[in-house]
Amino acid sequence: AQSVTQLGSHVSVSEGALVLLRCNYSSSVPPYLFWYVQYPNQGLQLLLKYTTGATLVKGINGFEAEFKKSETSFHLTKPSAHMSDAAEYFCAVTRKGKLIFGQGTELSVKP
Amino acid sequence: DAGVIQSPRHEVTEMGQEVTLRCKPISGHNSLFWYRQTMMRGLELLIYFNNNVPIDDSGMPEDRFSAKMPNASFSTLKIQPSEPRDSAVYFCASSFSGGAETGELFFGEGSRLTVL
Repeated sequence: AQSVTQLGSHVSVSEGALVLLRCNYSSSVPPYLFWYVQYPNQGLQLLLKYTTGATLVKGINGFEAEFKKSETSFHLTKPSAHMSDAAEYFCAVTRKGKLIFGQGTELSVKP
Repeated sequence: DAGVIQSPRHEVTEMGQEVTLRCKPISGHNSLFWYRQTMMRGLELLIYFNNNVPIDDSGMPEDRFSAKMPNASFSTLKIQPSEPRDSAVYFCASSFSGGAETGELFFGEGSRLTVL
């Protein structure tokens, strides 16, 4: 069954530093993969998604993710962190018409 | 454009009381999802509807939980009787046809439930 695992429940970076949030998936077939972001006291918003085609996917706010089948990974990156990026990030995969989320990674950005 | 609207935003109640959470999906969306978020269990899908019909309720914890979607613009999640372990943030989300396959779910701001 499709599922995702996020490595690290909390990541802290300095402003301007590289952001790397890790996600590995488990799937017997090529999955659809997603990253969502949740700002404090808000619902989730779609950052980016991979369905088919180009394996490097660009999303909003300068984020991107690369689908690597050989590594079963879909890590989220941003070259330079901004204070406004502080939030919780969720990797997700579809399974039988449902969106299944990972446990989330809280990103802190230090000035 | 209005997004997914949930009410109430906050609810504090006592154990044993009935709780009803409400959701208005985005107009034109025909799939609706109820999620529960807790620190311990993360985001759990409780139930989802397509064209107002419940498709999968395997995530509903127990018989105390029920959900309805009487029309395309309204859904409720009811807990009766409520228990302290039901304390969580409940999210409603909607999407265009195809359910979650497109992955583009639009979430409401959530209803934070505290059961004392």
